[in-house]
Amino acid sequence: QKEVEQDPGPLSVPEGAIVSLNCTYSNSAFQYFMWYRQYSRKGPELLMYTYSSGNKEDGRFTAQVDKSSKYISLFIRDSQPSDSATYLCAMSPTNDYKLSFGAGTTVTVRA
Amino acid sequence: GAVVSQHPSRVICKSGTSVKIECRSLDFQATTMFWYRQFPKKSLMLMATSNEGSKATYEQGVEKDKFLINHASLTLSTLTVTSAHPEDSSFYICSARDGTSGGDEQFFGPGTRLTVL
Repeated sequence: QKEVEQDPGPLSVPEGAIVSLNCTYSNSAFQYFMWYRQYSRKGPELLMYTYSSGNKEDGRFTAQVDKSSKYISLFIRDSQPSDSATYLCAMSPTNDYKLSFGAGTTVTVRA
Repeated sequence: GAVVSQHPSRVICKSGTSVKIECRSLDFQATTMFWYRQFPKKSLMLMATSNEGSKATYEQGVEKDKFLINHASLTLSTLTVTSAHPEDSSFYICSARDGTSGGDEQFFGPGTRLTVL
């Protein structure tokens, strides 16, 4: 079993739709949770960074963490074609900065 | 936000040669830098962690004699792929942690695509 599971997709949605992405994990030591966006042939770009369970909102992006279920989600509202990218979840234990990544979900937003 | 650069962005080399990739933090001091490898349509796999002024810590299965890492200053880390072979062809990405801010965020470079012929 992988430490972090993420459905690779691909996921295709029409412009304006809500994109829903999620990851599950098995290591209960993970305390920090991140979502990265990666465009083709580019490095990952940090989108959201959360520490505790609950919701965190930043513009059109909402990150949810449910530590009891070992489940994290990212929602993108009013999706745009420019949101087309691969989205990677990542997490790390407290005081250990080594990140464990999910496989990444490829998202295409159709105009 | 913090900026991390990598050089070169793309390199093609012959089998048996060595290739050096530079990773620089442009506007912050990076106490810790990480090197990742990414295969097409696959996630990032951590290769090693380097702290300024000390030896790198390699992940299991990564050959330290093949992938030489030097973190000589708080703004520069280098990865040298020695005696490269076609199976070393990959996308290599570095990240850096801003140790002075006290945060846990890592900032990634744009990546270096290595093709070994």
